[in-house]
Amino acid sequence: DTAVSQTPKYLVTQMGNDKSIKCEQNLGHDTMYWYKQDSKKFLKIMFSYNNKELIINETVPNRFSPKSPDKAHLNLHINSLELGDSAVYFCASSPVQYGLDIDTQYFGPGTRLTVL
Amino acid sequence: AQTVTQSQPEMSVQEAETVTLSCTYDTSESNYYLFWYKQPPSRQMILVIRQEAYKQQNATENRFSVNFQKAAKSFSLKISDSQLGDTAMYFCAFTYTGANSKLTFGKGITLSVRP
Repeated sequence: DTAVSQTPKYLVTQMGNDKSIKCEQNLGHDTMYWYKQDSKKFLKIMFSYNNKELIINETVPNRFSPKSPDKAHLNLHINSLELGDSAVYFCASSPVQYGLDIDTQYFGPGTRLTVL
Repeated sequence: AQTVTQSQPEMSVQEAETVTLSCTYDTSESNYYLFWYKQPPSRQMILVIRQEAYKQQNATENRFSVNFQKAAKSFSLKISDSQLGDTAMYFCAFTYTGANSKLTFGKGITLSVRP
């Protein structure tokens, strides 16, 4: 009965590789998000999608490409990984409809990405 | 732009005691929500409590309560009867209705509960 799930939980890879992180929510929410938590624990939004449409893109390098095949899934693909991409990546979802209301965001367990 | 400030990087409290974590924010929005999230060593982000700005009454959830001072833009979290399981990082966060609505987080505070 997991609400927001992410796979994998840990990802260790070499610089220059391409990797993906998957996120799924079974809450029936309309909006999904990706956040990055850096080594100092600071959390910052990267992207948000509402019903499969990109709403927020926060000056993230274009090596990062989110994809939402349906409103229950939001995957994050990262090309040409760099050392600075090492972080914990969180997926979240919310019932909020774009621009119409505000509500709580529920987070996945996070994916710790380590780039060597 | 919205900002959230948590000026205390860490705090410590004795088990069963009460502790208050501070948070201030800055916004020109009138319709917004404030949150406290807890991140234990497991790294899971757990919602602790939520406060809607239009509500004058302070939110409470069991041992957790907030002191919401809208005019002062202050939103502190009080944890009563602290338990060892409360040891975690606590993040204050803000969101609002708008075209680019998103959660803006403070830098977090590390809370240690001593046995």
